[in-house]
Amino acid sequence: GAVVSQHPSRVICKSGTSVKIECRSLDFQATTMFWYRQFPKQSLMLMATSNEGSKATYEQGVEKDKFLINHASLTLSTLTVTSAHPEDSSFYICSAQFRAGAFFGQGTRLTVV
Amino acid sequence: DAKTTQPPSMDCAEGRAANLPCNHSTISGNEYVYWYRQIHSQGPQYIIHGLKNNETNEMASLIITEDRKSSTLILPHATLRDTAVYYCIVRLVLGNEKLTFGTGTRLTIIP
Repeated sequence: GAVVSQHPSRVICKSGTSVKIECRSLDFQATTMFWYRQFPKQSLMLMATSNEGSKATYEQGVEKDKFLINHASLTLSTLTVTSAHPEDSSFYICSAQFRAGAFFGQGTRLTVV
Repeated sequence: DAKTTQPPSMDCAEGRAANLPCNHSTISGNEYVYWYRQIHSQGPQYIIHGLKNNETNEMASLIITEDRKSSTLILPHATLRDTAVYYCIVRLVLGNEKLTFGTGTRLTIIP
């Protein structure tokens, strides 16, 4: 099956700093990737759709200036959480479309202290 | 909003078949039924998908009713590693439609 690699798996940062999360499709090219956020005991919530070579499409209520998404190549999308605050602490997950399915990364646990 | 309804939780004895139901009464003719599962603190894992015929792969079987308003995911011989949250999702295959997750079913396999 298709493999999506997400890095880092866990990160702790200080409030006010920025954190970059990478999502790579290892054995296929993905023109579209998705970014989700998941709070404890809740389901995945879509944050944005990332399209290679164009601007991301953000879901309602997601601040595009705070969550910067770059999809510069067919195998890499990045999510940068800018000026992170404790309320941004969450589990961030990316996925990439491949043929008839969407495949997910391992997730990144972000803790802002 | 999610277009599916699932029971919030289920238990199943180890070694028995786990049958997870899903209602999708508003499914349209060009939407597929997808199943994913999420083991604690990991990304979701694709299990299976289907349109109207029953499907089987090495992980599970998918039974879709004739009217397509509901489906059942079957794990034939559940193991402790099958403990996870299982999500039933309907989506178009063509294009890059986003996946909308509902609350899923928390399946617990009992030793």
